[in-house]
Amino acid sequence: DTAVSQTPKYLVTQMGNDKSIKCEQNLGHDTMYWYKQDSKKFLKIMFSYNNKELIINETVPNRFSPKSPDKAHLNLHINSLELGDSAVYFCASSQYNSGTGDYGQYFGPGTRLTVT
Amino acid sequence: RKEVEQDPGPFNVPEGATVAFNCTYSNSASQSFFWYRQDCRKEPKLLMSVYSSGNEDGRFTAQLNRASQYISLLIRDSKLSDSATYLCVVKGRGSYIPTFGRGTSLIVHP
Repeated sequence: DTAVSQTPKYLVTQMGNDKSIKCEQNLGHDTMYWYKQDSKKFLKIMFSYNNKELIINETVPNRFSPKSPDKAHLNLHINSLELGDSAVYFCASSQYNSGTGDYGQYFGPGTRLTVT
Repeated sequence: RKEVEQDPGPFNVPEGATVAFNCTYSNSASQSFFWYRQDCRKEPKLLMSVYSSGNEDGRFTAQLNRASQYISLLIRDSKLSDSATYLCVVKGRGSYIPTFGRGTSLIVHP
């Protein structure tokens, strides 16, 4: 019954490898996000994906690419991993209704990525 | 000025104390406001939305001051389990992109 799920929970890999993190939400939300939380605990948004509209944080390297096969899934692909990519990556989802407003985001449990 | 600013703390309070956090935001067109809590090595969880008229949920009270562009969170009768980082979040009207503050750390001790 998990609302937002991510796999894997832990990922240890070497520099230069390509990896993917999967995210699924069963809340029926129309917007999904990827965040990076570094060692200083700052939560930085990477991407927002709504009804096929992708909003990219321009500071995110193009080695990172989101892929959304459908509204319930937003996967994150990372090419040529670097040491600085080590962080916790959170997926989130939300639903905005123009009539009733914004009810906030629901986060997945996070994927702890370690690049060696 | 940062978009969303919070005092990082830590706020170190005894059980039963009342503690308040403030969060200032720079964009006067901001429309939606939230407080999240994040426990160590866990994901952020929505604590409460912040409404213009202020709102309360048990021991937690959130308020919005649009004129001074800040929101606040008041926790009464602090419990040990309230120890966490509290994140302030602000969104513009019609925007899908929320802006998170860096969080305020709360430690409640016996």
